[in-house]
Amino acid sequence: SQQGEEDPQALSIQEGENATMNCSYKTSINNLQWYRQNSGRGLVHLILIRSNEREKHSGRLRVTLDTSKKSSSLLITASRAADTASYFCATARIQGGKLIFGQGTELSVKP
Amino acid sequence: EPEVTQTPSHQVTQMGQEVILRCVPISNHLYFYWYRQILGQKVEFLVSFYNNEISEKSEIFDDQFSVERPDGSNFTLKIRSTKLEDSAMYFCASSEGQGDDGYTFGSGTRLTVV
Repeated sequence: SQQGEEDPQALSIQEGENATMNCSYKTSINNLQWYRQNSGRGLVHLILIRSNEREKHSGRLRVTLDTSKKSSSLLITASRAADTASYFCATARIQGGKLIFGQGTELSVKP
Repeated sequence: EPEVTQTPSHQVTQMGQEVILRCVPISNHLYFYWYRQILGQKVEFLVSFYNNEISEKSEIFDDQFSVERPDGSNFTLKIRSTKLEDSAMYFCASSEGQGDDGYTFGSGTRLTVV
């Protein structure tokens, strides 16, 4: 698999449920970031976790990073219909360096 | 909240024509980037720019592409002779290079080559 691969590719849940998306990568990283993209729109930065961090929270978002497994997960708690979007993980090998994106997880939250 | 601004939002051009995509990064950011996303595919890195020069570029960023920061605010991507396969959404981004704020992306320019 390529750097920054997410699974599942698509996830459909009911409003109020939690959504978990996973990301795997291959090379060493400085940080890993999660972005959201609404259909046909730009990328919105959600959260950044550094290689020396294991877990980070931001509102309803919880990100974990396991550098030994080269994997990360994004948990969205108490999902809302407005959370419907594609979610991408992206890794940077150095601070300020290029981001390598995965294919993304398409999340659909049904009201 | 500061934004990265891209113009135009949509450009249609004839194959072989030159196009310039424009971006205004966030003013105190030091790193600038161009990415592209072909419809239905992943976001791909094109080029990064720091301290008035290219710091890294991908294999996609061949001699047909160039970037410029002509003044203190604009950051442009030029495609010299467009091909059909250049049709994509092009995103500009900027970052401070430190801190936890990640990269700020613009809303993109949808380039259609006909």
